[in-house]
Amino acid sequence: KAGVTQTPRYLIKTRGQQVTLSCSPISGHRSVSWYQQTPGQGLQFLFEYFSETQRNKGNFPGRFSGRQFSNSRSEMNVSTLELGDSALYLCASSLGRGRGGYTFGSGTRLTVV
Amino acid sequence: AQKITQTQPGMFVQEKEAVTLDCTYDTSDPSYGLFWYKQPSSGEMIFLIYQGSYDQQNATEGRYSLNFQKARKSANLVISASQLGDSAMYFCAMREGSNFGNEKLTFGTGTRLTIIP
Repeated sequence: KAGVTQTPRYLIKTRGQQVTLSCSPISGHRSVSWYQQTPGQGLQFLFEYFSETQRNKGNFPGRFSGRQFSNSRSEMNVSTLELGDSALYLCASSLGRGRGGYTFGSGTRLTVV
Repeated sequence: AQKITQTQPGMFVQEKEAVTLDCTYDTSDPSYGLFWYKQPSSGEMIFLIYQGSYDQQNATEGRYSLNFQKARKSANLVISASQLGDSAMYFCAMREGSNFGNEKLTFGTGTRLTIIP
């Protein structure tokens, strides 16, 4: 079966711009989580969506937002980009029932210049 | 306090040898799950193994096994007969709570494993 698909794979943006990243989960998975990975802070949880509702949110500023569509695909948006937003953004999908593994996508590498 | 601690930033291991990657965790929740992921240089996170806090047996998946010592709060990953393709970053992660809806994973800082031919 198809894995988790993240698009685009690479992105270069300028400070102050906004960006939208996309994640298509495994078919049948209703939960999508987003993580930011940087060399300094490691892997940090951004938020999680289940059936179009945000259930959990990490400690990130309001510039980071997301949404989930009825087909479980999710997008995350970062507005007013800062240099520190440069990171690998990973999404993970799961059944969302509190057990079992999470399948991650290959990530979107965002560079802010 | 760190919830997941991986004390080995890097390890070098000879091919075909077994290797143990350390992970200790901190939680007061009696229900939790522990995960190990492998991240090659390409960036994707590959699920390796899972251990639930109430599981009686140590988890095993092929060449991977998890040495779960609940009283010590440790969940070490053991890779038997290491291969060159095992060279990657390895992350230990925890999900706390049994509540439906808690899908947040907390990750450790990772261990970079290099297999030497």
